Amino acid sequence: DAGVIQSPRHEVTEMGQEVTLRCKPISGHNSLFWYRQTMMRGLELLIYFNNNVPIDDSGMPEDRFSAKMPNASFSTLKIQPSEPRDSAVYFCASSQGLPNTEAFFGQGTRLTVV
Amino acid sequence: AQSVSQHNHHVILSEAASLELGCNYSYGGTVNLFWYVQYPGQHLQLLLKYFSGDPLVKGIKGFEAEFIKSKFSFNLRKPSVQWSDTAEYFCAVNFGGATNKLIFGTGTLLAVQP
Repeated sequence: DAGVIQSPRHEVTEMGQEVTLRCKPISGHNSLFWYRQTMMRGLELLIYFNNNVPIDDSGMPEDRFSAKMPNASFSTLKIQPSEPRDSAVYFCASSQGLPNTEAFFGQGTRLTVV
Repeated sequence: AQSVSQHNHHVILSEAASLELGCNYSYGGTVNLFWYVQYPGQHLQLLLKYFSGDPLVKGIKGFEAEFIKSKFSFNLRKPSVQWSDTAEYFCAVNFGGATNKLIFGTGTLLAVQP
């Protein structure tokens, strides 16, 4: 398996623009997590899905952020409108959905909002 | 509230020194515990995990961790560090139950000096 695949790897956008980050989890995994990593706040859980259903989105910073998982092999994280403080590395991870399984991480998307 | 604490934010060691990184969590129920490592510019990779059984678990690259339930702790250890261990280390806890939520600590940045 190719692992968790995220795209793009790098994104530079202007403030106010819409940004869409994409994630393809490992085949057969039914839990998917979106994390944001910054120097100040470390690794924050934004939202996670079980069987394509959002279970907990309490980490989503505000209404400008939204996430979808239309099927088992694809998820998006959208920021609209983007702001400079959204600049961070966004990681997607997937697992087999049981408590006693590990999460596998993608390479991350480094987002810079100018 | 469920939380994970890593008390050491930055650690600097010389090669061959011993390492111990602290991790505590706040939750009285059954948990699953992980340590992940992030090398510079890379994504998170699993070092080791504990689900049940022997509370002393061994991982890759000579790392081990001990689960002490009474102290809600899962400290990471390595008897002799190498320059190549320079990385950021994250403790993570899956609080299980119906939510399967995976929460990370804030990370410890380890710098090993040759």
